[in-house]
Formats: sequence, structure tokens, C-alpha cells
Amino acid sequence: DAKTTQPTSMDCAEGRAANLPCNHSTISGNEYVYWYRQIHSQGPQYIIHGLKNNETNEMASLIITEDRKSSTLILPHATLRDTAVYYCIVRVANRDDKIIFGKGTRLHILP
Amino acid sequence: DAGVIQSPRHEVTEMGQEVTLRCKPISGHNSLFWYRQTMMRGLELLIYFNNNVPIDDSGMPEDRFSAKMPNASFSTLKIQPSEPRDSAVYFCASSLGGSADTQYFGPGTRLTVL
Repeated sequence: DAKTTQPTSMDCAEGRAANLPCNHSTISGNEYVYWYRQIHSQGPQYIIHGLKNNETNEMASLIITEDRKSSTLILPHATLRDTAVYYCIVRVANRDDKIIFGKGTRLHILP
Repeated sequence: DAGVIQSPRHEVTEMGQEVTLRCKPISGHNSLFWYRQTMMRGLELLIYFNNNVPIDDSGMPEDRFSAKMPNASFSTLKIQPSEPRDSAVYFCASSLGGSADTQYFGPGTRLTVL
């Protein structure tokens, strides 16, 4: 799987949009971008994934650049409960490859 | 659905003792995964099963670790004998299909080996 690069930590004010970047410059054409998050003392939680089109669900939006070398996860109205470590992962969607969780971004939502 | 269920939530044991962690996947899911998380190594996959059959156990650290899945609704991860360096949070996850599908994680078991 392609490797990803994320900032170690970020702060965001409560109520504002949290924009979490991820670089994946070596992504292959058949690799998807997945986002998971892990709230303290809980297991990781799936957020969203996409291939090349922007995606939106009830939790977040995923914006993937046209060259697919980077993406941004957007939490439109961050709340204190969104404080967590966010993992950006790239992997082939229809192959039995293990998910490799990197260090992720520790997002702090500030009151 | 109750989600992935793990027991116990916390386990404290002494070095040399046998430890058994349990997991009940989401009903209808065909794949089950065991992960270990530590501060030093992060979250790492130990083993995963598809239709109760172990597919990839390359992450199992050594022979002291073993995992079984006797049926579609139950799996165990056993450490015998346990060592202090096994102290970690152990997560179980399940997915509808193989490892390519979205994985749903349980709350984890925090293991402390003294």
C-alpha cells in the first residue's frame, strides 16, 4: 500500500470546520483513500473513503485532488467529541491487504 | 446491533500466567481481525480470519500467541505464558467481507502483565 503523510497534531475551535490534510503522492490508480478515527479509550471508527470523486456522508466530507496525490478530510462543524486521532490510509478496495495504521493526526477541538 | 463485543475489558495478570481474550463479531460478518495497540508500535494487525479460517497470521509476534475461531460468532486470542511486554490494548474488529471491507472495531481489552 502507498504510504501517507499527515501532520502530527492540529487544533480547531469548536463549531468551526476542521480540515485534516493527507499526502499520498505514490498512490496507485486502484487505491482508495480511507479515513478512520480513534477517540481516546475506544477502538478505531470508520469515517469515509473515496477513489477520486469527492465524497460526503453524515460524518464528514472527503476532498481528493485531481492528481489524487493528496486529500482533505473535512468535519464541517467540529464538536468537542471530535477530539481524536485521525488516520488516513490508502489501500486497494478489493484485495485482501491488511490495513496499515500510521501515526495519524491528533486533532484537538478547543472550546 | 450490539457491535463487536470483547471481554474482558480490562485484565491484570502476572508474568507467566495464561491470558485469554474473547471476541464476538457483528452477526453476519465473515471476517474477524485481532489488533494490538501500544504507544511504541501503534496499531498493528496480529491475525485475521475469513469464514473462520486464518488467512494472515504474519503479525502474530511469537509462539506464545495463538488465536482460534471455532465458529462464526466467537474468537479467542490466547497468550501463554504472558510477559510484561505483552501489555497493550487488544482490539477485535469484524467486516462483512474480507479485509478490504470496512472494519468495525470493538472497545478493546486493556491487558496489563505485571
